[in-house]
Amino acid sequence: NAGVTQTPKFQVLKTGQSMTLQCAQDMNHNSMYWYRQDPGMGLRLIYYSASEGTTDKGEVPNGYNVSRLNKREFSLRLESAAPSQTSVYFCASAHAGTLIEQYFGPGTRLTVT
Amino acid sequence: GQQVMQIPQYQHVQEGEDFTTYCNSSTTLSNIQWYKQRPGGHPVFLIQLVKSGEVKKQKRLTFQFGEAKKNSSLHITATQTTDVGTYFCAGPFGSARQLTFGSGTQLTVLP
Repeated sequence: NAGVTQTPKFQVLKTGQSMTLQCAQDMNHNSMYWYRQDPGMGLRLIYYSASEGTTDKGEVPNGYNVSRLNKREFSLRLESAAPSQTSVYFCASAHAGTLIEQYFGPGTRLTVT
Repeated sequence: GQQVMQIPQYQHVQEGEDFTTYCNSSTTLSNIQWYKQRPGGHPVFLIQLVKSGEVKKQKRLTFQFGEAKKNSSLHITATQTTDVGTYFCAGPFGSARQLTFGSGTQLTVLP
């Protein structure tokens, strides 16, 4: 099992450019999440998907869109990148049940100039 | 909304010394989770505490959940260089098992 995979690992964008961050999990998890991590601020939830076909906003959704393509894949799109979106982005997934451990991907380091 | 606060933000210890990080929630939690993130890595689940007053141990790590289920702590006995990283607590909310993360405690262990 690869667990949670993310592509790309690194990306540099110019202000105004768009891009999609890809995430896939092979653990048959229902729930998937996108977080951003900035120094001193922990992990902040951008969007999440409780199940295939559903998505909802998290704490910091502005400037982002998501697609839950199928049960395995959950993508994050930046339509018009801004320097404030420079961050490390993590995708995570979780199984249903009493233990709600989240499994994280390796992250994407995004710089917007 | 739910807030989870964690202190200290940074901690430098000499190898062999003990380390503790504290987590406080603005609301009562059904459970609390702890994650570790190595430098340059991703968060990795350590443990989940569910019961009021629960104490769990993993080798040199001791996790406690407060009686009121609003606070928690992680204590590491006799730190080693392999303990270096950032430790996060996280509290659940919402129907999709979303987590609110604390801001983390970055542990540096000096050899």
